[in-house]
Amino acid sequence: IQLTQSPSSLSASVGDRVTITCRASQGISSYLAWYQQKPGKAPKLLIYAASTLQSGVPSRFSGSGSGTDFTLTISSLQPEDFATYYCQQLNSYPPGFTFGGGTKVEIK
Amino acid sequence: QITLKESGPTLVKPTQTLTLTCTFSGFSLSTSGVGVGWIRQPPGKALEWLALIYWDDDKRYSPSLKSRLTITKDTSKNQVVLTMTNMDPVDTATYYCAHTLLGAGNYYVPFDPWGQGTLVTVSS
Repeated sequence: IQLTQSPSSLSASVGDRVTITCRASQGISSYLAWYQQKPGKAPKLLIYAASTLQSGVPSRFSGSGSGTDFTLTISSLQPEDFATYYCQQLNSYPPGFTFGGGTKVEIK
Repeated sequence: QITLKESGPTLVKPTQTLTLTCTFSGFSLSTSGVGVGWIRQPPGKALEWLALIYWDDDKRYSPSLKSRLTITKDTSKNQVVLTMTNMDPVDTATYYCAHTLLGAGNYYVPFDPWGQGTLVTVSS
């Protein structure tokens, strides 16, 4: 199962609403997670089961979708949100738990 | 509090075998449902899932790397070991281990938390 994220990068300002898309090559129900990774750091789980916020993650982050099309939305971008975001599918094994190519969110 | 830390060589030569150890605390790999996975990230590139092992010694491997990977656990030492044979410069990456769970109905829980990662360079 391939995951395609778009865009691969974006520039945004503090306070902006940001939406990142992840498209699966075949249906994966709601078995999708989103991670945030800052430079030099390990990824951090933000959302699982497509729309469930991990404990401790700010409510400005939200996820939606099922089947093949998913979105991660940051309702009001904060300075600490500038990072790279990855989606991951956990639908089945095989083939395994593939990641998307990542979306880098940069400061405009 | 769950913590994980990767250890192993920082430099390996082409064709050599890489052995990485993940030492963890805050959970036990003898507890039903618990698992540890390995993920890697080449410099400037995306994440790639490699393998995972569950409490019952069930093992899963990336199909593209399955022939080169072996994952084992030592429950008494709270460690998981990943070996990768026939290393190549394209295998240069930061290697992470991470905690996971197998939920009811074979629901695969995402990786959380992750270790800090260890950079492995493959060069002669």
